[in-house]
Amino acid sequence: RKEVEQDPGPFNVPEGATVAFNCTYSNSASQSFFWYRQDCRKEPKLLMSVYSSGNEDGRFTAQLNRASQYISLLIRDSKLSDSATYLCVVRRTNDYKLSFGAGTTVTVRA
Amino acid sequence: NAGVMQNPRHLVRRRGQEARLRCSPMKGHSHVYWYRQLPEEGLKFMVYLQKENIIDESGMPKERFSAEFPKEGPSILRIQQVVRGDSAAYFCASSPSGTLSGNTIYFGEGSWLTVV
Repeated sequence: RKEVEQDPGPFNVPEGATVAFNCTYSNSASQSFFWYRQDCRKEPKLLMSVYSSGNEDGRFTAQLNRASQYISLLIRDSKLSDSATYLCVVRRTNDYKLSFGAGTTVTVRA
Repeated sequence: NAGVMQNPRHLVRRRGQEARLRCSPMKGHSHVYWYRQLPEEGLKFMVYLQKENIIDESGMPKERFSAEFPKEGPSILRIQQVVRGDSAAYFCASSPSGTLSGNTIYFGEGSWLTVV
């Protein structure tokens, strides 16, 4: 079983819509959680860290459910520029290695 | 923006040739990580280096792959006798100290290797 699993999508949504997707992780020793964004043939860029209490950054809301071992990302009022692949990333306690999911592709259409 | 610099950005090699990928970390960063992204897959950790030291190479294939981060100059990921399965994007990342201390790592733009 992969350490981090994501629905690959694609999620095709109109501008202004809300889109949400999850990621599950298998290792209960996971400590740190992140969402990265990756555009086509570009490097991953940190979108936001995910905290236990859930956190929001503008139109983006991240939630963590440790009991069920999943993380979610919700994007409100989607913009064309939100079209990208969103990578779920997990780091275990006392480890420096990041474990990446394969990504969820979101396409926002006009 | 003196971010993590990788070169070449794109590299084409014939089977059996060698590929050398270079990475200059951000200014002030002494920790370098290499990740590989195969098509349709997530990034996979390969190796973690500090200046002149390999800290963890548990993600490196046992043969043909090597990495170094000399006292002077960039970190280099070397792939000998490349095969088609080595075709991937290779990302370098750096941090000021180890990520255990909570530092964010910053990725370079990647080097896309195509083996023909």
